[in-house]
Parts: sequence; structure tokens; C-alpha cells
Amino acid sequence: QQQVKQSPQSLIVQKGGISIINCAYENTAFDYFPWYQQFPGKGPALLIAIRPDVSEKKEGRFTISFNKSAKQFSLHIMDSQPGDSATYFCAASEWGTASKLTFGTGTRLQVTL
Amino acid sequence: NAGVTQTPKFRVLKTGQSMTLLCAQDMNHEYMYWYRQDPGMGLRLIHYSVGEGTTAKGEVPDGYNVSRLKKQNFLLGLESAAPSQTSVYFCAGAIADSYEQYFGPGTRLTVT
Repeated sequence: QQQVKQSPQSLIVQKGGISIINCAYENTAFDYFPWYQQFPGKGPALLIAIRPDVSEKKEGRFTISFNKSAKQFSLHIMDSQPGDSATYFCAASEWGTASKLTFGTGTRLQVTL
Repeated sequence: NAGVTQTPKFRVLKTGQSMTLLCAQDMNHEYMYWYRQDPGMGLRLIHYSVGEGTTAKGEVPDGYNVSRLKKQNFLLGLESAAPSQTSVYFCAGAIADSYEQYFGPGTRLTVT
């Protein structure tokens, strides 16, 4: 049972454009929603995260939008750059569960010149 | 600080062979995790530990065993490797009561 569904599987965006990746979850007990960025041959690294008490969080060019009623959250990358080309994973966690993360299936982003 | 390190980086096994993957951390992580990453399936939790001497099953534990004899090390064992265990394995650690997990660089395992 996949508890976090991520789309699209892959995404091609021109330099300067906006990249949008979406995730939906089922478990209403989830209370932490991070996005991880992974470059080829490397381990995932935390990019940005949000708690359900806010609807949006912005860090530089990266923004998470969160819709609690729809059980959806998304990552927006503004002014996308070739250096942003990577695989992005959304995830979710529930307090009191040893910080275990349930990951989405990943989105491979390619930013072209 | 080295962070989270994994040994080895690559390994090729024949079906039925055994091996142990080592994860070491110097970040004082109470919690440690082993994941496998397969194309189109994201990262799936194999086993995890909430402290020295403790282990618990994750989403896909079959065929794997783990041990956490020391706080800084988390070992993942394959007793009898199968081709279905061909994957990239990642170890991660987290401070207790912190959501953020720090990942190692991964081990690419091929079972022929």
C-alpha cells in the first residue's frame, strides 16, 4: 500500500521556468512533510520541509505548498537552473514513530538550457 | 566530521552468498535506518533502530537482518543473497525526536 503518491515521474523544464512536483498522502496522522533532493551517485539530502500548521513555506527558490483538507502538498522550484537537475522525493512522517519516513516514488527533473 | 558513511560502495554477489553492509556515523544519531532504492519505487525502509541494542522491522524486512551493537554502527546482513536484492542500499541517521534524516552515500549491490 503506497501511502504517499508522487507525480510526475519525470519532468523537463527550461532554464528559468517553474518546476512543480505534486504529492498526495492517505494517512491523516502524518505531521511532517519533507522534500529530499538526490543527485546521481549520492544519497538523498533534505531540501525543505513543512508542518501541517502552515500552508506554505519558502526557502530561496524552493516553496512547499500544503493543502491539509485535500491531503496534498507540492514543491515549486522557481527560476529553475540546470544545477537543479536531480531526483526529488517527497516524504511524510508521523510523530512518535521513530521519525520513520514514507517516501514517494520520486521525480526526475531535468532543467534544459 | 565524516557524517554517515557506508562500506562498501559497490559489491557483486552470487546467489546464495552472504555479506554485511556497514553504516557508521559520528553525528550522535540515536536513530538509524536502512533503506533500499529501486527504480520507480522510491526508498523503502528495511529495518531501523532507535538505540544501541534495539532493532525493528520496516516495510520490506524479509531476507535481511540487522544489528546495532554500538550506537555509531548499524549493520545490514544478507544471509543468502537473491537476485531480487539487487538494489542501492542507503543508511540514514537521525537525532532522537528530530524528523530530519541524514543519508549516507549508498552501496550498489548486484546479485547474479
